[in-house]
Amino acid sequence: EPEVTQTPSHQVTQMGQEVILRCVPISNHLYFYWYRQILGQKVEFLVSFYNNEISEKSEIFDDQFSVERPDGSNFTLKIRSTKLEDSAMYFCASRRNKKSNQPQHFGDGTRLSIL
Amino acid sequence: SQKIEQNSEALNIQEGKTATLTCNYTNYSPAYLQWYRQDPGRGPVFLLLIRENEKEKRKERLKVTFDTTLKQSLFHITASQPADSATYLCALAFLDYGGSQGNLIFGKGTKLSVKP
Repeated sequence: EPEVTQTPSHQVTQMGQEVILRCVPISNHLYFYWYRQILGQKVEFLVSFYNNEISEKSEIFDDQFSVERPDGSNFTLKIRSTKLEDSAMYFCASRRNKKSNQPQHFGDGTRLSIL
Repeated sequence: SQKIEQNSEALNIQEGKTATLTCNYTNYSPAYLQWYRQDPGRGPVFLLLIRENEKEKRKERLKVTFDTTLKQSLFHITASQPADSATYLCALAFLDYGGSQGNLIFGKGTKLSVKP
């Protein structure tokens, strides 16, 4: 069964450094998302992306964050200058279309550790 | 703002029994609601989706109900097995909160432990 893949599985970065998290969504899906989960807390929405532009973003998704779909398969999340509080699991998700019977499928996440 | 509450942080049951997990929300009714399973260190795995005009959905040993009057969804696992032990998340899409784009608001989850 097709799945969302994310790399790397674990990223350790010094505070203030830039980090790029990568995702390959399911191939025929049109809607893409990033979520994060701080340890012990709930999954939180960051941003949705469709037709090569951001559709919605949460308050968490400030100017330090950006997303890109540089080619036909990858979907990336960039954090420009990381902070300690950015440490979390970051999940990518994709969805086939906008119909309300279409679920989101998640990858296994990237664990981001900021030192 | 919308709040989602899963009433138990943890639920322990005996193998073979039915597990029932609850998801309550405030204010507006979601356009649809999804249940996911999450194992430690893994991403959420989709289980079932139910729309606001549906009362019940089933898939094998799983059943979800949706009561917009009570603002509640129930998730049932019948004939539970130790392999069902995991955290179960409910996630809601509200049209006024980016739901038309599919953005999900998650509950904190209920950790289910099924003892042999």
